[in-house]
Amino acid sequence: SQQGEEDPQALSIQEGENATMNCSYKTSINNLQWYRQNSGRGLVHLILIRSNEREKHSGRLRVTLDTSKKSSSLLITASRAADTASYFCATWGTSGTYKYIFGTGTRLKVLA
Amino acid sequence: GAVVSQHPSWVICKSGTSVKIECRSLDFQATTMFWYRQFPKQSLMLMATSNEGSKATYEQGVEKDKFLINHASLTLSTLTVTSAHPEDSSFYICSASSGGEETQYFGPGTRLLVL
Repeated sequence: SQQGEEDPQALSIQEGENATMNCSYKTSINNLQWYRQNSGRGLVHLILIRSNEREKHSGRLRVTLDTSKKSSSLLITASRAADTASYFCATWGTSGTYKYIFGTGTRLKVLA
Repeated sequence: GAVVSQHPSWVICKSGTSVKIECRSLDFQATTMFWYRQFPKQSLMLMATSNEGSKATYEQGVEKDKFLINHASLTLSTLTVTSAHPEDSSFYICSASSGGEETQYFGPGTRLLVL
């Protein structure tokens, strides 16, 4: 399977704490994107990070990318109950396959 | 941001019937649309990639004759589940892109239940 792996598979934290999710992938990439999915809904795009970038910020989100380790992390700071959702990474490879490969996802639960 | 709609949002049908799901990009031209299926608590599995005006590219293991995809215009792609069976029950999600490796915008999904 080409699918990336995310860990942890599930994460439960208290409101106000930080949440860190990791994504590992298998092939060389052009970019990596993080998405959020509320239960039974479509996906919402969070951040795109390109292969020549190491870190990006967007509000309370911080994404890092280590292409040598083929891994990325998503940090949500000062989490809120509304952040409860599943988070997926998706990679666009360099091999000309012209498609995104999604990771297995992390289910985050933020307790009020 | 770009908006993608899907219709219907949910459908219940009898085994053996065919179901058509529409995916529309409302405010941009989608040269490429992707169709995914998602089982409960699992990730998205790409079924096929469709480019406007050409035949869809199906992923390994996805039956072309069962999941018919048409991308007739830059704003509309349809997925038809033919002769649906209970094992086809799933959450089907489309996404649209203005091209290549740029951001995909996802529809809200269609939940299909085949009785």
